Amino acid sequence: KAGVTQTPRYLIKTRGQQVTLSCSPISGHRSVSWYQQTPGQGLQFLFEYFSETQRNKGNFPGRFSGRQFSNSRSEMNVSTLELGDSALYLCASSRGGHQPQHFGDGTRLSIL
Amino acid sequence: ILNVEQSPQSLHVQEGDSTNFTCSFPSSNFYALHWYRWETAKSPEALFVMTLNGDEKKKGRISATLNTKEGYSYLYIKGSQPEDSATYLCAFGQAGTALIFGKGTTLSVSS
Repeated sequence: KAGVTQTPRYLIKTRGQQVTLSCSPISGHRSVSWYQQTPGQGLQFLFEYFSETQRNKGNFPGRFSGRQFSNSRSEMNVSTLELGDSALYLCASSRGGHQPQHFGDGTRLSIL
Repeated sequence: ILNVEQSPQSLHVQEGDSTNFTCSFPSSNFYALHWYRWETAKSPEALFVMTLNGDEKKKGRISATLNTKEGYSYLYIKGSQPEDSATYLCAFGQAGTALIFGKGTTLSVSS
């Protein structure tokens, strides 16, 4: 059974640019959550999608957005990148509710 | 703002030692408590999901307990091995809301 796949694994951007990250969940999982991890911080919740609907949203500015497609694949977009957006972005999928989350390997985003 | 606290932040033990960590969370509107293990260069892996007060879960040498009334969970590792070295995360969930993760406890086991 294939795991959660995130692409790309690494990304370097400059301030002001925008970026799109992709996440393919485990087959049959309809819930996809996105997290940001920076040094010294725990996993900060960005948003959760379930069956193409945003179900929960974390405390991040509107520059961070996401969507989920009918095949449950999800994308996260960050516009007008700032230096502070440099982080590891993790995607996790689950069957929903509070079932265990299965994480991808993450996308490491560096902003120059 | 809901907060999940984990202690200690880090610890170093010798192979064979037993150890335990604490996760503290709000005691109101409890729905679930998750534990994850995050090894370096890998992705977080689910260990346990606990939903009932008094729950005890076990997986090999690792076990966890849950007290929802007082808002804490303990994770125990019996006879630590070098391969147990990782960051252990707990996450608290209320019904219909996203999981809130603690900052983790980083365990280092020396042989």
